Amino acid sequence: NAGVTQTPKFRVLKTGQSMTLLCAQDMNHEYMYWYRQDPGMGLRLIHYSVGEGTTAKGEVPDGYNVSRLKKQNFLLGLESAAPSQTSVYFCASSEDWSSYNSPLHFGNGTRLTVT
Amino acid sequence: AQTVTQSQPEMSVQEAETVTLSCTYDTSENNYYLFWYKQPPSRQMILVIRQEAYKQQNATENRFSVNFQKAAKSFSLKISDSQLGDTAMYFCAFISGGGADGLTFGKGTHLIIQP
Repeated sequence: NAGVTQTPKFRVLKTGQSMTLLCAQDMNHEYMYWYRQDPGMGLRLIHYSVGEGTTAKGEVPDGYNVSRLKKQNFLLGLESAAPSQTSVYFCASSEDWSSYNSPLHFGNGTRLTVT
Repeated sequence: AQTVTQSQPEMSVQEAETVTLSCTYDTSENNYYLFWYKQPPSRQMILVIRQEAYKQQNATENRFSVNFQKAAKSFSLKISDSQLGDTAMYFCAFISGGGADGLTFGKGTHLIIQP
């Protein structure tokens, strides 16, 4: 049981390049989330999904797109990377919308640097 | 929008001491859930403790306990008999009972346990 797997673990992009971060979970969770973590800022929600085929914007969605074509996968795309998107990205999933009865499971993060 | 405030960017205590991390939040909801997460240098996000707003009794998990003051919108974390392995970033998080739009995190407190 792998839990939540994020790929890649590290990536360096040049300004203007595009890339996709993959999040895969094998727990059959309905709810999936993408957060970014910046020093002194905590974790901020980028986009989330409440089920297969659904996505919604979080607190900081600009410059990102997401897709949830399959229940187990939640993809985060950067169409034209900017230095302000340098961050550590975390994917998380939960069986429970509140994450109270079924705790949030986090991936190990992707460190992205945009030069 | 809900906000979560952690007013202590960094704290340092001696091993075996007791330390309290503060967290306040702002919401107009009556039903909600509160969490404390730990992030050690490994970057892994670990759930420490959780509290449902409807429950009067403060949550306790071994050496970790909370002081939940609903009227004051305060949710502090107490760590007793602190250990070197408690050194980590600690994040307070909140989700309202009204929706599945993900946890809102505070900016974190860096806790250092000195030998």
